[in-house]
Amino acid sequence: EEQLVESGGGLVKPGRSLRLSCRASGFTFGDYTLTWFRQAPGQGLEWLAFHRSKAYGGSSEYAASVRGRFSISRDDSKSIAYLQMDRLRAEDTAIYYCSRDNQRLSDAFDIWGQGTVVTVSS
Amino acid sequence: DIQMTQSPSTLSASVGDRVTISCRASQDISNYLHWYQQIPGRAPKLLIYAASNLQSGVPSRFSGSGSGTYFTLTISSLQPEDFATYYCQQSYNTPLTFGGGTKAQI
Repeated sequence: EEQLVESGGGLVKPGRSLRLSCRASGFTFGDYTLTWFRQAPGQGLEWLAFHRSKAYGGSSEYAASVRGRFSISRDDSKSIAYLQMDRLRAEDTAIYYCSRDNQRLSDAFDIWGQGTVVTVSS
Repeated sequence: DIQMTQSPSTLSASVGDRVTISCRASQDISNYLHWYQQIPGRAPKLLIYAASNLQSGVPSRFSGSGSGTYFTLTISSLQPEDFATYYCQQSYNTPLTFGGGTKAQI
């Protein structure tokens, strides 16, 4: 079964850091671009960042709201992606999802993790 | 940034109803438009990709149409498990953006 599982969420104070992990199984992780989204309480979905596969250059892009504070990386040998979140703010409180970008489906996101909750509060 | 506008934001319907949700892009996105369903407490699920292609395993009562700036998602006969929130999303360029969501309720 193709699957993504996030971990690393929790309660953190404003200004501190947190690193989320996204572990893949059931497919060749290195063949796909990996993307992070979040959903604030009661709100819609927000794209945060993606890390392209090596076949597509291996580069990354970020949403303006997190650029310079968040950093995405991946270890294809371990089938894991990471989201390093620095200088966290209260407005970063959300459920964080990782997802697989399927280029064969016009870059639709066909596999999602279950989400990990991040709460930023003093 | 490409703005995605969905309507309605809430729809009230009954089991068996035919419902249509619309999504408008602020610029031409060709067919780089996808639809997702989200049940409370769950991750989003891909329903339709590239405007009109049914994702594997999704019931055929779901269908999508449109291109350019206007798109629709239709559920031909609403089932109890379809009461959820639906989002459109464009993958034409970054930042990737979603519509605000349509909550289907009884």
